[in-house]
Amino acid sequence: AQRVTQPEKLLSVFKGAPVELKCNYSYSGSPELFWYVQYSRQRLQLLLRHISRESIKGFTADLNKGETSFHLKKPFAQEEDSAMYYCALNSGGYQKVTFGTGTKLQVIP
Amino acid sequence: DTGVSQNPRHKITKRGQNVTFRCDPISEHNRLYWYRQTLGQGPEFLTYFQNEAQLEKSRLLSDRFSAERPKGSFSTLEIQRTEQGDSAMYLCASSRQLGGGGPVTDTQYFGPGTRLTVL
Repeated sequence: AQRVTQPEKLLSVFKGAPVELKCNYSYSGSPELFWYVQYSRQRLQLLLRHISRESIKGFTADLNKGETSFHLKKPFAQEEDSAMYYCALNSGGYQKVTFGTGTKLQVIP
Repeated sequence: DTGVSQNPRHKITKRGQNVTFRCDPISEHNRLYWYRQTLGQGPEFLTYFQNEAQLEKSRLLSDRFSAERPKGSFSTLEIQRTEQGDSAMYLCASSRQLGGGGPVTDTQYFGPGTRLTVL
């Protein structure tokens, strides 16, 4: 069975500090990994996916198959980054996405 | 607004009643998904349609739940004989099937959700 673990329910950082949101997954094959974000009073939206290997809003995430991790990082947090972040994966070739429980990022001015 | 829309946005019902939710996807999207999200949890996959065909259903979807997408456009999710444990946010998402050679998983676009409260 596939599972996504986000160990932190809340992460508070000061503006300008580095951010790392942790995500670990369990799946023996080759999953697709994603980060979704939900800003206050907005819809859930895709932030980035591992195969794109791109930086979105200054965020990057590297898939580490050895550690089965897909941590989300940003070198300098901004107040507008405050949101709920969900790590997710799809493993089966179908369109079924499994989400983690989410981490609330709070950037303190 | 050309995004995914869901109606109603809020529904309060008494235990034992039936409820139906509607989702209108982005017009050119042929795939549609339903998720359920309870407090403190991420969205949980319920079911998925490609055009009008329901291709996958989660074991979470008990016999009291049924989803349809009769013409491959909007979809409805019905819950019969609601229970207090059905209280949750029900999210709909849609996507456009990608061509060959690209990522396996489509980018899903989510609606605002329908919040169900069962008293």
